[in-house]
Amino acid sequence: GESVGLHLPTLSVQEGDNSIINCAYSNSASDYFIWYKQESGKGPQFIIDIRSNMDKRQGQRVTVLLNKTVKHLSLQIAATQPGDSAVYFCAENRGSSNDYKLSFGAGTTVTVRA
Amino acid sequence: ETGVTQTPRHLVMGMTNKKSLKCEQHLGHNAMYWYKQSAKKPLELMFVYSLEERVENNSVPSRFSPECPNSSHLFLHLHTLQPEDSALYLCASSQDSRGYEQYFGPGTRLTVT
Repeated sequence: GESVGLHLPTLSVQEGDNSIINCAYSNSASDYFIWYKQESGKGPQFIIDIRSNMDKRQGQRVTVLLNKTVKHLSLQIAATQPGDSAVYFCAENRGSSNDYKLSFGAGTTVTVRA
Repeated sequence: ETGVTQTPRHLVMGMTNKKSLKCEQHLGHNAMYWYKQSAKKPLELMFVYSLEERVENNSVPSRFSPECPNSSHLFLHLHTLQPEDSALYLCASSQDSRGYEQYFGPGTRLTVT
């Protein structure tokens, strides 16, 4: 079964507010996590990644938090803009040298209200 | 632009047709991937190539046949598909085959009639 999942399939956010998208995983051996954004008609776009030896990583307007104790990953988007409307996926790599797989969650659809 | 291109962007084919999807990456990566994306489902990994060698075949039916002639090009040959094969087919590449930081193309929207 799926080892990566998102808490909510949809999220509606007021423009200018901060967004938090959550993801849970079950494999404690996972050592790499990544967030993608997919806009309508496009392929997934890399946003930010984090390795298991870190608990926080920041990018431009985005922050990823990793809580290994509860196997939880979140993506925070600051000052959400209309262009942030998309489906957001988390994915994990299980840390095996023979495992090429990123396991993806089903995605959270973020809608930004003007 | 992610540096990964796919053609065609849209394809409609009958169940008896043979067609091919093409992917090209301009990133100098050594690994390439095919994924299937169906509505309301997570991305499903189909095939992985590392340095032109297939390293993963994720229980994909034989009506899908991949080909990787070099590290920049990846094809997915399709024949006698079923309507349930209709989906978005995504190509991705990464620096190596450990699966980290994959960059995706825009996908081919396939409809099987």
